[in-house]
Amino acid sequence: DGGITQSPKYLFRKEGQNVTLSCEQNLNHDAMYWYRQDPGQGLRLIYYSQIVNDFQKGDIAEGYSVSREKKESFPLTVTSAQKNPTAFYLCASSTPTGGAVYGYTFGSGTRLTVV
Amino acid sequence: AQSVTQLGSHVSVSEGALVLLRCNYSSSVPPYLFWYVQYPNQGLQLLLKYTTGATLVKGINGFEAEFKKSETSFHLTKPSAHMSDAAEYFCAVTKGGFASGTYKYIFGTGTRLKVLA
Repeated sequence: DGGITQSPKYLFRKEGQNVTLSCEQNLNHDAMYWYRQDPGQGLRLIYYSQIVNDFQKGDIAEGYSVSREKKESFPLTVTSAQKNPTAFYLCASSTPTGGAVYGYTFGSGTRLTVV
Repeated sequence: AQSVTQLGSHVSVSEGALVLLRCNYSSSVPPYLFWYVQYPNQGLQLLLKYTTGATLVKGINGFEAEFKKSETSFHLTKPSAHMSDAAEYFCAVTKGGFASGTYKYIFGTGTRLKVLA
């Protein structure tokens, strides 16, 4: 079955360390998105990509970086510049206009904790 | 600018009672509106959506929502709550569109539904 796979499910980061969250989809979707979820704040957009080798900053991109070298993959790196990285991270995908008509498909998330 | 307000961060209902989760939006253009459900430590799953046409939309698991343009609302209802409905629910409105090449969401802050036995 098609879907989005996020790994790992739980991730622990030490102070000053960069970590990378994986997101892979086999839905043949062009558009992919990264959201951060904090209690009581809903979901906030970090980065999104509409096509391979292209991506745009969302509302809270500082301290994060992404790449889109393959259609299927959209990894997110949480850098040491992100001062409060503890959160639940969600990856999603859609066809370019399908987000408005069919909705997004979400992965099951990665919970990142700073130790 | 588009925005979404969900009234009540926590809602408790008895099993078998009516579920009503409120969502109001502001949008300068006709919106596309969505409700998503999230179970603990899971991603979001689409419950239902309004794009065009009939203003009363039915979704999965017996949920439905009505788009009321005059009230700028898109409240989610279910006639009879079940224990399995306990989850967090998010209302979302799209921003962007064909001109920008993609549709992004603005999410509400979520409503956690608790179902009491």
